Amino acid sequence: DIQMTQSPTTLSASVGDRVTITCRASRYISNYLNWYQQKVGQAPKLLIQAASTLQSGVPSRFSGSGSGTDFTLTISNLQPEDFATYYCQQSYITSWTFGHGSKVELK
Amino acid sequence: QVHLVQSGAEVKKPGSSVKVSCKASGDTFRSYAVSWVRQAPGQGLEWMGEVLPLYGTSNYAQKFQGRVTMTADRSTTTAYMELSSLTSDDTAMYYCARESIASGVPNWFDPWGQGTLVTVSS
Repeated sequence: DIQMTQSPTTLSASVGDRVTITCRASRYISNYLNWYQQKVGQAPKLLIQAASTLQSGVPSRFSGSGSGTDFTLTISNLQPEDFATYYCQQSYITSWTFGHGSKVELK
Repeated sequence: QVHLVQSGAEVKKPGSSVKVSCKASGDTFRSYAVSWVRQAPGQGLEWMGEVLPLYGTSNYAQKFQGRVTMTADRSTTTAYMELSSLTSDDTAMYYCARESIASGVPNWFDPWGQGTLVTVSS
């Protein structure tokens, strides 16, 4: 299976900050990388698919980039509703695998 | 707009089986798969497998091979996940999610069901 490594595991930030989460695949996955947001007690929500395509309805302060093995999720101007855990997920080779998550918490 | 509604919470004994359902509204199942993802308490997301209703086929993560069965009923737009030989390690929230399967683009999961908590305890 392709291993997905996210960093940091936890990130402390303030409202208005710009935050970046990275995700590294254990082998080449082209742009077959998706990002999800999960708030406490809720199901995950798709934010970005194909590494950089924002899902409909997702605020433009979210952006994704990368290709190959290294990817980033950036949240500019962090809002109170953005405090959550973020997961990357590869869909290049089945079994699909997720990163272990990056929690964005209030500083 | 597609909406997935899962069956209610379950409490099971070790060694038993559980079957969770996932009903889709606003969708014919025709051009999507349904994946199942679980999340143990305080842990991350783990893909278990997928069922392709149009073809009646399933693919499972190796970890669950032989212990999981995923099916779908196109007439009722309901997918099912049955997990057998339960242990306490199977205590988790189980989610279904619609999976895009368009050729040449990444598969993604959207939307997700609300989750079904399965507790395995003696």
